[in-house]
Order: sequence, then structure tokens, then C-alpha cells
Amino acid sequence: QVQLVESGGGLVKPGGSLRLSCAASGFTFSDYYMSWIRQAPGKGLEWVSYISSSSSYTNYADSVKGRFTISRDNAKNSLYLQMNSLRAEDTAVYYCARESLWFGELLYAFDIWGQGTMVTVSS
Amino acid sequence: QSALTQPASVSGSPGQSITISCTGTSSDVGGYNYVSWYQQHPGKAPKLMIYDVSNRPSGVPDRFSGSKSGNTASLTISGLQAEDEADYYCSSYTSSSTTRVFGGGTKLTVL
Repeated sequence: QVQLVESGGGLVKPGGSLRLSCAASGFTFSDYYMSWIRQAPGKGLEWVSYISSSSSYTNYADSVKGRFTISRDNAKNSLYLQMNSLRAEDTAVYYCARESLWFGELLYAFDIWGQGTMVTVSS
Repeated sequence: QSALTQPASVSGSPGQSITISCTGTSSDVGGYNYVSWYQQHPGKAPKLMIYDVSNRPSGVPDRFSGSKSGNTASLTISGLQAEDEADYYCSSYTSSSTTRVFGGGTKLTVL
């Protein structure tokens, strides 16, 4: 079945780094844009970053620009988020999500979500 | 980038209808038909309920409907059921540099 599984979360000190991974299955991963979306404890959803199907385009929320890097390996059906210079305010559950397509047209909606991985930034 | 504006909470009794609003600007909700809605139960991942303002993915009950007027999109749930109690988020394409934005979320309580 169509599935996304995140991994790599954990406890890290302020200023540290962490690399999240998202393993995709059940669909042609290389056809789809992918995004990372986070949710701080008790808070709402915040879009973090997206990457195009061939990695040609990436974009980031202002809050993480210059510190986070999104990447993908279509041969391994995997999405990544390299997070550097982490801050307490980066503490959140991080979800990877597939961006919807309709006959090749991007719909700017997220139709498949992983279960999330928790990142805690604390000394 | 500013989040879209949603009411913090709404409530309704079983069988009733409720509407959740999502207000943006002409740079996002008002300018494009790329509004989507998500349902999130506690401890679970969000689930896509509506895309392109008013389209339902396969498997989403037709009790859920979406619409838009000007800079405000709306999610209506008719025939409320206990299992509809959840947090709901809107999202939209935005012409700002980030291109994607969420609303702050609305907690739906079924009385």
C-alpha cells in the first residue's frame, strides 16, 4: 500500500544537527514533489520545505532557510531533511508528505502523510 | 509568511452542520483555487479531506464539502458524527516566496 515512513528523530542539543529520512513505498516516488511539514507540541501545522520530483527545485520556510536542506534519492525511494544549527523552536513532530498530482498538474495539496518523527532540541 | 486565519474552535451537536472558515488574502486563498483541508485526530497524522477548494479524495464522506468566496474558504460538515471531532487545518498555495501556507487550525467539538 501507499506508505511513507519517517525516521531519524531524537533529542539534540541547541546548535546541533540531525538528518531525517522518509522511506516511500507503494507508488512511483520519482513522479511526485515531496514536502516536510512540522508540528510543534500543541501547535498547528507549519510547512517547512518542498523538493520537486527531479530535485530541480527546492524551497524553504523563512524560519529554516539557511539551516535546513531537503534532498531525495529517487533510486532509493527516499526523502531527507538535513537540519543544522538547531534551535529550541525547531522542536516538533516532522512529517513527510506527498504532494498531490492530477495528470501531472501539481495541486498544492498533501495527499499522503507519514506517521511523523519527533525532534526535540534541548540542553 | 503569515498563516491563514481560522477560528480556534467550533462546536456542534450530532446531526447538525458546522462551517469552519479560512481567511487569507488575494495572494493565496483569494487568488488561486488551490485550497485544501485536513483532518487530524489526536496523536495521528493529518488526512486530506478536500483539495482544489471543493474536491473530495476517494473515501472521504460526502458530508464534507468545501467552498470559497473572495479571500475566505470554508469547510462544511453536515450530519455531524462523533468521529468528526478533530482538529481541522486549511492550506493554500501562496504567491509569496514560500508557495505553501497553512491555517492555524480549528478544534471541532461534537457535543
